[in-house]
Amino acid sequence: EAAVTQSPRSKVAVTGGKVTLSCHQTNNHDYMYWYRQDTGHGLRLIHYSYVADSTEKGDIPDGYKASRPSQENFSLILELASLSQTAVYFCASTPGLGSYEQYFGPGTRLTVL
Amino acid sequence: GEQVEQRPPHLSVREGDSAVITCTYTDPNSYYFFWYKQEPGASLQLLMKVFSSTEINEGQGFTVLLNKKDKRLSLNLTAAHPGDSAAYFCAVKSTGGNNKLTFGQGTVLSVIP
Repeated sequence: EAAVTQSPRSKVAVTGGKVTLSCHQTNNHDYMYWYRQDTGHGLRLIHYSYVADSTEKGDIPDGYKASRPSQENFSLILELASLSQTAVYFCASTPGLGSYEQYFGPGTRLTVL
Repeated sequence: GEQVEQRPPHLSVREGDSAVITCTYTDPNSYYFFWYKQEPGASLQLLMKVFSSTEINEGQGFTVLLNKKDKRLSLNLTAAHPGDSAAYFCAVKSTGGNNKLTFGQGTVLSVIP
């Protein structure tokens, strides 16, 4: 089973500050994803990537940037954190075309004050 | 794009009773379907998957039914026990080569001993 880790697991940030959430997977998966989870909304896709050095916008990319410096690592960057970005963030990965099961990391609880 | 509606948002049943969670989707060409379980404070774990046909999959006390004609996916717990208390999410893979899944809003299931 895919191993996806996230750091930090919990973070408190100030409004207007910069936040970087990191994700690391060890199973050589091509695709990686960032979701946010809010009560009543399920999971919403922020950014994803299917190859190193390339990222794609998901359904709610505004206010977020992503970076995929290597196949194993995928970061989510909040340049100017806002109160509305308080949420739980999940990273996920999947092997590639033809395999669609996503494996999730443990999540990062972000609180913006 | 694909839209997924999941009902009910909350469900409370007594131990030993059955429970049904339903998702309806809009893209008739969707062809992979998943159910994930999220225990309180934890990440999402793949519970079951079903593919492009009217199909019943069974396992771990669950039955999944896919009705492509009605674009409906359901998760049936045959005899709920307290360990089933969790949030459940359906996810749908529709056409397109980006490996994206569209998630339902989630159902919080409470099983009362």
